[in-house]
Amino acid sequence: AQKVTQAQTEISVVEKEDVTLDCVYETRDTTYYLFWYKQPPSGELVFLIRRNSFDEQNEISGRYSWNFQKSTSSFNFTITASQVVDSAVYFCALKAGTASKLTFGTGTRLQVTL
Amino acid sequence: AAGVIQSPRHLIKEKRETATLKCYPIPRHDTVYWYQQGPGQDPQFLISFYEKMQSDKGSIPDRFSAQQFSDYHSELNMSSLELGDSALYFCASSLSHLRTEAFFGQGTRLTVV
Repeated sequence: AQKVTQAQTEISVVEKEDVTLDCVYETRDTTYYLFWYKQPPSGELVFLIRRNSFDEQNEISGRYSWNFQKSTSSFNFTITASQVVDSAVYFCALKAGTASKLTFGTGTRLQVTL
Repeated sequence: AAGVIQSPRHLIKEKRETATLKCYPIPRHDTVYWYQQGPGQDPQFLISFYEKMQSDKGSIPDRFSAQQFSDYHSELNMSSLELGDSALYFCASSLSHLRTEAFFGQGTRLTVV
């Protein structure tokens, strides 16, 4: 069975602070894919990144960066110099083996204030 | 760029009524997924279709059924609606049912009264 844990339920930061959202996953499959999605107050789910189990390279996209560590089964997401528009619920998700479905974590609500 | 289109965006139904939600995937995407998200919860997988055949099944109630048509659009049919069915229903599509990321529509907010 697959499981994704996002231990941080809510995080509040002041604009321009850096913030890291944690994600820990469990799977017995050797082939799997990890994802981050953003759900702003408007409700839609926005794809941010996909990472496969064979690629542990970290990735940076603008103010966003992701740290994938198989040794600790973690796929953490860092926002640098946070902005009010980053306020949203962020979901980490896992797709493993031959299953087509995504297993989501419970999400982390990020509140960025001025 | 074209995105996943869901209709309707909002739907209000009474208990025991039926509802049909529609999903139009991104062009050339062959896989469609349905998810249900209750208030304050994470999305829960219901069912998926790959090339018009059911590929995976999650926690979809027997009162619900779904299919993918020849033009790849999908419909989720919900009968004998219950108050607990009130939720945001997402459709997503992807290029492949295994490797690639799923892109989500804006969701249909169903309220059962």
